[in-house]
Amino acid sequence: GDSVTQMEGPVTLSEEAFLTINCTYTATGYPSLFWYVQYPGEGLQLLLKATKADDKGSNKGFEATYRKETTSFHLEKGSVQVSDSAVYFCALSDRSGNNRLAFGKGNQVVVIP
Amino acid sequence: SQTIHQWPATLVQPVGSPLSLECTVEGTSNPNLYWYRQAAGRGLQLLFYSVGIGQISSEVPQNLSASRPQDRQFILSSKKLLLSDSGFYLCAWSVLGRGDQPQHFGDGTRLSIL
Repeated sequence: GDSVTQMEGPVTLSEEAFLTINCTYTATGYPSLFWYVQYPGEGLQLLLKATKADDKGSNKGFEATYRKETTSFHLEKGSVQVSDSAVYFCALSDRSGNNRLAFGKGNQVVVIP
Repeated sequence: SQTIHQWPATLVQPVGSPLSLECTVEGTSNPNLYWYRQAAGRGLQLLFYSVGIGQISSEVPQNLSASRPQDRQFILSSKKLLLSDSGFYLCAWSVLGRGDQPQHFGDGTRLSIL
């Protein structure tokens, strides 16, 4: 079935550093791709999305490009802030009517002042 | 605008007691509805989803059940809780019938079983 793989382990970096979180997927069709963010003790918030190949989703300084040739949707931000500390989840939708999402395991990001 | 509400925010229950978590959506009609569980330090596990009133699909066999008595109401229940039912439970909704739409999540219920 469809699945999403995120890089292992937490990410710790200094304020104003460049952030990359890798996400690759396996899908039989042409999924839509999403990044969600979860702040401590809260639910998930949609960060950005892309619905077809070569689309770039962007929001709050974060970007991710739908790469069909490498089946990837890596998340990037040029200069992180302490407030970006959170867990980030990559997800795909199989475009079926029930709109189920397959999630990666998430990456804890800790930004140090 | 659409909003989703979950309650309670936190719950502490003894082993063997019943459970009822409620989720309601406002500002939209005929949504798809979902229940997830997030165990400590782990990803999200889809438990149930519903595409209409009275229609429930279960993703994993377990001690829990779900019901959708009204269009925008989704309830997660158990007759007898187990220790392994502890976790963070999230409800979500999406637009019906669209595979390119995101899901929108509630703030979650943190359930602790003693």
